[in-house]
Amino acid sequence: SQQGEEDPQALSIQEGENATMNCSYKTSINNLQWYRQNSGRGLVHLILIRSNEREKHSGRLRVTLDTSKKSSSLLITASRAADTASYFCATDASSSGGSNYKLTFGKGTLLTVNP
Amino acid sequence: DTEVTQTPKHLVMGMTNKKSLKCEQHMGHRAMYWYKQKAKKPPELMFVYSYEKLSINESVPSRFSPECPNSSLLNLHLHALQPEDSALYLCASAKYAANTGELFFGEGSRLTVL
Repeated sequence: SQQGEEDPQALSIQEGENATMNCSYKTSINNLQWYRQNSGRGLVHLILIRSNEREKHSGRLRVTLDTSKKSSSLLITASRAADTASYFCATDASSSGGSNYKLTFGKGTLLTVNP
Repeated sequence: DTEVTQTPKHLVMGMTNKKSLKCEQHMGHRAMYWYKQKAKKPPELMFVYSYEKLSINESVPSRFSPECPNSSLLNLHLHALQPEDSALYLCASAKYAANTGELFFGEGSRLTVL
C-alpha cells in the first residue's frame, strides 16, 4: 500500500514563481526522499531527509519534515520551465518481519512551469 | 559510473510470448529493485534483491519471474502476460537493502502486451 500522499495532485505556475508540494504519510519512517520524473522517464533522486532532521536545502530545493504531523513539504524556488515534471515523495518501511527496507512512493504532484 | 541501464527501451509482446527485461549497474550496489509504473500512477514495488538473493516479493503473479545472475545484473522474465501488465518497468539499485538511501533508477522498459 502507498504510504505517501502528495498534494496538490497538479500544480501550474509561471516561471520565476515558487512551487510548494506537500506529502503526508501514515507510519513512522527512517527517512523521507523526494524524486522527480520527467514524462515517461526514470526517476531522479532529489533529496533525502532523515527522521531526526527538520529542514534540508539543496540548491533551489528546500525540504521540511514534521514527524509529529507525519508530513513533509518540497519547495522549489525561482522555478524554471525545465522543472516541469512529476514529483514524488517516498518513505521507507521495513518488510514485514524482515531486515530489508523498501521505498514506497506517494501518488505524486504534476508540476507544470509555464514560460 | 552512476548509471543503471535497462534494455530494451520498448517491448511489444503477445500473451503467449516469453521475453525478458534486463538491468545492469556497475556502481557496486548490492540491492536491486523492480518497480512497475502505470500511466499517471506512482511506481509500485515488485521485487527486491539483496546480495543477489530475493528478499522481497510483493505478491507478484508468477508470470513475472525475477533473476539476479550476479551483483551487476537483474533480469525480469515475462511469460503469459495479460494486457493489463502493460506498463513502464523500472529497475533501480541502492548501496544496500538494509538501509534505504538513494535509489538510482534506469530509464525504464515500456512494455505493451497485445
